[in-house]
Amino acid sequence: GQQLNQSPQSMFIQEGEDVSMNCTSSSIFNTWLWYKQDPGEGPVLLIALYKAGELTSNGRLTAQFGITRKDSFLNISASIPSDVGIYFCAGPHLTQGGSEKLVFGKGTKLTVNP
Amino acid sequence: KAGVTQTPRYLIKTRGQQVTLSCSPISGHRSVSWYQQTPGQGLQFLFEYFSETQRNKGNFPGRFSGRQFSNSRSEMNVSTLELGDSALYLCASRGSMFNSPLHFGNGTRLTVT
Repeated sequence: GQQLNQSPQSMFIQEGEDVSMNCTSSSIFNTWLWYKQDPGEGPVLLIALYKAGELTSNGRLTAQFGITRKDSFLNISASIPSDVGIYFCAGPHLTQGGSEKLVFGKGTKLTVNP
Repeated sequence: KAGVTQTPRYLIKTRGQQVTLSCSPISGHRSVSWYQQTPGQGLQFLFEYFSETQRNKGNFPGRFSGRQFSNSRSEMNVSTLELGDSALYLCASRGSMFNSPLHFGNGTRLTVT
């Protein structure tokens, strides 16, 4: 089935630094989603991308839908301590039955040192 | 609008027992999906229900089952629990519009001893 390769697996940065993470797939996706999960909580949607080449921002977060439709990037500028968490990329996988299920990358664990 | 609500938040069970987890979707959402999250495997799709029908199923054994009620609330059941079933079980709902994203609850943390 479709797999999403997310990197890096973890990042340790200083407050104020910019962060970049990415997700790649061997298959084409029509939608890319980025979620963040805080400890003890469920993933929360950060950004949704629906068009190849699309660049979308949400505050200090910027995500891009790769032109090949096989990759996506998430950037966080001027990181702050509350950016700590696990970031997941996700995309819909069309099943043989014609319905969709969301597949996730393994996540990027971000630690921000004050 | 209230978010996705999952109960209970924590459960401790012993091997061989069964467990039922509950999920109330966002009001108006008719699609409910369940995911298992473990440190090793990440987020793995269990199944999706829409209008009381299972629309999609992941690669989990038959011990994992679910259902959806007419008010869109959903339950998942795991029978004959194994140690490896210890995980965070996440429920998510989505709207009916094309490309509606999933909205997750905070999960039920199941520990099997």
